[in-house]
Amino acid sequence: NAGVTQTPKFQVLKTGQSMTLQCAQDMNHNSMYWYRQDPGMGLRLIYYSASEGTTDKGEVPNGYNVSRLNKREFSLRLESAAPSQTSVYFCASRAGVGGFTEAFFGQGTRLTVV
Amino acid sequence: GQQVMQIPQYQHVQEGEDFTTYCNSSTTLSNIQWYKQRPGGHPVFLIQLVKSGEVKKQKRLTFQFGEAKKNSSLHITATQTTDVGTYFCAGPSSPSGGYNKLIFGAGTRLAVHP
Repeated sequence: NAGVTQTPKFQVLKTGQSMTLQCAQDMNHNSMYWYRQDPGMGLRLIYYSASEGTTDKGEVPNGYNVSRLNKREFSLRLESAAPSQTSVYFCASRAGVGGFTEAFFGQGTRLTVV
Repeated sequence: GQQVMQIPQYQHVQEGEDFTTYCNSSTTLSNIQWYKQRPGGHPVFLIQLVKSGEVKKQKRLTFQFGEAKKNSSLHITATQTTDVGTYFCAGPSSPSGGYNKLIFGAGTRLAVHP
């Protein structure tokens, strides 16, 4: 049982390049999330998908787009990367729709924009 | 919007000393969750508190949820080097957000010196 799988694990981009971070979960979870983690800033929610077919903005959505491709997969796209987007990105999933289930996290993607 | 504030940002203790981190929300929470992230790792769920005034224990870790359900604490008794990491609290969003958003505090990074 793989849980939450993120690809790639590491990426270096040049300013202005685009890329898509992939996330897949095999736990049949309804809700999926994208967070970014910067030193001293904790985990900040970028976008989330409460259920298949829905997506909503989180705390820091600017510069990002998401797609809930199906129940398993939730991708995060950077259309024109900026140095301020250098961060560690975590994907997470939760079983239920609602606030009472634990979140499972992927291993993270370390993104550097130069 | 809802904010979850966590203090202190960093705590350095000698092995065997106690440690406490505090979490405060700007709004009443339906529940609060705690996660631990080891250095270089991803957040891992520790526990969830739901009831007003609830206290739960996991070995040397004691978790409390305030009577007003707006604050919480994690206390570690007699820290060990295995306790090193960052501890996050997290709460679901307000009813208007359907409780699907999961907002994290900035975390408390614990360093334990042998």
